[in-house]
Amino acid sequence: QQQVKQSPQSLIVQKGGIPIINCAYENTAFDYFPWYQQFPGKGPALLIAIRPDVSEKKEGRFTISFNKSAKQFSLHIMDSQPGDSATYFCAARHQAGTALIFGKGTTLSVSS
Amino acid sequence: DTGVSQNPRHKITKRGQNVTFRCDPISEHNRLYWYRQTLGQGPEFLTYFQNEAQLEKSRLLSDRFSAERPKGSFSTLEIQRTEQGDSAMYLCASSRTANNEQFFGPGTRLTVL
Repeated sequence: QQQVKQSPQSLIVQKGGIPIINCAYENTAFDYFPWYQQFPGKGPALLIAIRPDVSEKKEGRFTISFNKSAKQFSLHIMDSQPGDSATYFCAARHQAGTALIFGKGTTLSVSS
Repeated sequence: DTGVSQNPRHKITKRGQNVTFRCDPISEHNRLYWYRQTLGQGPEFLTYFQNEAQLEKSRLLSDRFSAERPKGSFSTLEIQRTEQGDSAMYLCASSRTANNEQFFGPGTRLTVL
């Protein structure tokens, strides 16, 4: 059973648009939810992370929205640029654990 | 560059050969993690170290895989008798403590022919 479900699998937006990537989880013991950005041939780079005691976090053009009751969280990219074209992964970590559990990724393409 | 480094970046080997990868974490990071990523998937946890102690292994880490972090600094991941199913990107990450962010290296791309 996939512990972190991510959607959509791929996404195409125009420059300046606001792509939204969604993730859902089942385990209420997860207490840390990061998002990573990965370019082809590179390792994942941490973008932004949130803990369940807040409902929203912004860092630059990236915003995480967190809905604890629905066990869902999402990434919004404001004013998207062609350079944002990459694969985005959500992840979760158990409060007693150390391993990150990743979603399957969303490939974002921002057209100019 | 003070980030996580991994060597080699690419490795092509024949089935049945042994391979070894190295990871140098960010200085002063106590925790070091190994993940495996196959095409079109997110990274999957393999194992992690707290200093030199290997504290957890995933069921993905078969008997052919062994990892070490001898002095609590760099780590090696060895795969013995490689199989075609081992072809993947092997990622290393490090964090300062258990509750801190994990920073990933560029990965080692393994191709088993």
